[in-house]
Amino acid sequence: SQQGEEDPQALSIQEGENATMNCSYKTSINNLQWYRQNSGRGLVHLILIRSNEREKHSGRLRVTLDTSKKSSSLLITASRAADTASYFCATDASGSGNTGKLIFGQGTTLQVKP
Amino acid sequence: SQTIHQWPATLVQPVGSPLSLECTVEGTSNPNLYWYRQAAGRGLQLLFYSVGIGQISSEVPQNLSASRPQDRQFILSSKKLLLSDSGFYLCAWRTYYTGELFFGEGSRLTVL
Repeated sequence: SQQGEEDPQALSIQEGENATMNCSYKTSINNLQWYRQNSGRGLVHLILIRSNEREKHSGRLRVTLDTSKKSSSLLITASRAADTASYFCATDASGSGNTGKLIFGQGTTLQVKP
Repeated sequence: SQTIHQWPATLVQPVGSPLSLECTVEGTSNPNLYWYRQAAGRGLQLLFYSVGIGQISSEVPQNLSASRPQDRQFILSSKKLLLSDSGFYLCAWRTYYTGELFFGEGSRLTVL
């Protein structure tokens, strides 16, 4: 079963605006990760936040994690047309041992209009 | 540096035909390997993972099988394809020490 659910499913904004995507999950986790996928391509890792962290930054990306609500958000600031892609959250569940299995959500499709 | 190769990139197969998708990783040893499937406009479904040669774990019972004949080679197979096997198949790897997955460019399978 899918662990993460993203919201919204689709988002359309103008260049320069901020984009916020949310992710909810169901079980205890070791970490939560965000990935980007350009159309027809493989996924690229963006950022990882551990269960004992609340916020993390990487360039124009800001990720928050609320383990009490089992939710995370990804904020992309000052968006660019090149940010147009699908974004997925993925959870590394507690108790998965060395399997390293990640369970992905359904994704948010972001369109940034020039 | 590490790289991952996945092939073929695209294939169209008739129902009932066999399938073999191959994935190889370079520049690392003893990686964990994964096969995911992505239906159109949807998220990724984990199909198989492997933590070592000959060790395969199946996440979803289905028409597919996986094998790991060598440390850095992961193969996805089917003896007889179904229409429902159509999709975008992604191979990925990670080491025990890294948290993130590294993905190949995917194989798009259309079963007619």
